[in-house]
Amino acid sequence: GDSVTQMEGPVTLSEEAFLTINCTYTATGYPSLFWYVQYPGEGLQLLLKATKADDKGSNKGFEATYRKETTSFHLEKGSVQVSDSAVYFCALMGVSNFGNEKLTFGTGTRLTIIP
Amino acid sequence: DGGITQSPKYLFRKEGQNVTLSCEQNLNHDAMYWYRQDPGQGLRLIYYSQIVNDFQKGDIAEGYSVSREKKESFPLTVTSAQKNPTAFYLCASNAANGNQPQHFGDGTRLSIL
Repeated sequence: GDSVTQMEGPVTLSEEAFLTINCTYTATGYPSLFWYVQYPGEGLQLLLKATKADDKGSNKGFEATYRKETTSFHLEKGSVQVSDSAVYFCALMGVSNFGNEKLTFGTGTRLTIIP
Repeated sequence: DGGITQSPKYLFRKEGQNVTLSCEQNLNHDAMYWYRQDPGQGLRLIYYSQIVNDFQKGDIAEGYSVSREKKESFPLTVTSAQKNPTAFYLCASNAANGNQPQHFGDGTRLSIL
């Protein structure tokens, strides 16, 4: 079945550092890929998405490129801020018995940015 | 503003008691979902519904029940058969056409007294 493997945390960086959170996936067909962010005590918010190979999703300075040849969707940001501290989830939307809506999540990566 | 409202934010359950978590959306989405989140783990799908009066089991449905009598509402009941109910519960919805992203509520944290 579908699966998502993402970089284990926690990750701690200094403000303005470069961020990479690795995400690889296993799926049949052509899934859509997502990054969600969860702030303490809240639900998940969609950060960015990509629906086909070589697509680049971007939002709030974060970027991720859908790499089918390496089955990866790594999250990057050039200069992180304290406000980026959160848990980040990689997810894929593959094909299931009921259509295209089933989401499979990675285990999440906790990111802490120190001033 | 459109969104998903989950209530209550915190809920306590006594042993042997059923409790119901509310999820309401005003996004006009056809599909709704319930997930369970445990520390250090990703989200696991409990139940989902694509249309009113229809729902299917997800990966961890045992000890849970749902109903979908209205498009806007998808309540989750945690029954006494769920032996380890302490978790963070998240409700989500999306439009059931194409790979539309799911939108999430702010969650309900359930604890056992």
